[in-house]
Amino acid sequence: QVQLQESGPGLVKPSQTLSLTCTISGASINSGGYYWSWIRQFPGKGLEWMGYTYYSGTTHYHPALKSRMSISEDASKNQFSLKLHSVTAADTAVYYCAMQMDTSLAIDYWGQGTLVTVSS
Amino acid sequence: QSVLTQPPSVSGAPGQSVTISCTGSSSNIGAGYDVHWYQQLPGTAPRVVISRNNNRPSGVPDRFSGSKAGTSASLVITGLQAEDEADYYCQSHDSSLYGAVFGGGTKLTVL
Repeated sequence: QVQLQESGPGLVKPSQTLSLTCTISGASINSGGYYWSWIRQFPGKGLEWMGYTYYSGTTHYHPALKSRMSISEDASKNQFSLKLHSVTAADTAVYYCAMQMDTSLAIDYWGQGTLVTVSS
Repeated sequence: QSVLTQPPSVSGAPGQSVTISCTGSSSNIGAGYDVHWYQQLPGTAPRVVISRNNNRPSGVPDRFSGSKAGTSASLVITGLQAEDEADYYCQSHDSSLYGAVFGGGTKLTVL
């Protein structure tokens, strides 16, 4: 059974960088065939896919976020991470890491989510 | 503003049925991509209740069913129970984003 766990600061100042890590258990980020994603949920409850990493480091990002985000992998720790630069209050959300077998399939596995608030 | 369109809320009495609609476009549902449905209880992550338009994962009651036609999909819940009260989201793949797109969510109230 795959389990995902997000970790990182719950409060980030405007203009700074949001950094989160997802620790994977029950699967290997190195095994290939899986898409490891970051998804966020705004306070008004809307969900937004942000991007994913797959096939040992290949990444794809939402066009609206591409210029200020990155996703990286750390195979030695079986983790993947999110960096979102130049944050504003509009980036306040619950951030989920998630996994799916293919981009056309359901997102079967989700972390519990972590609330990140952008405020001075 | 969400890419897929859902009604903000639906309600029904225990034992009744409700239908939640999800409308997309030619770059997602209309392009033939499957629709998946998630249930989200307060304070928890979404969980799949219908995958690939009409498939129930293990553990999901057969009161949940789904369908898809054209650029739209529907989730039907029959024999409503109090435990069904939750937010429901549809999701598909979008060929423009090459990523997931979601509906804005529908709050189901069991009266």
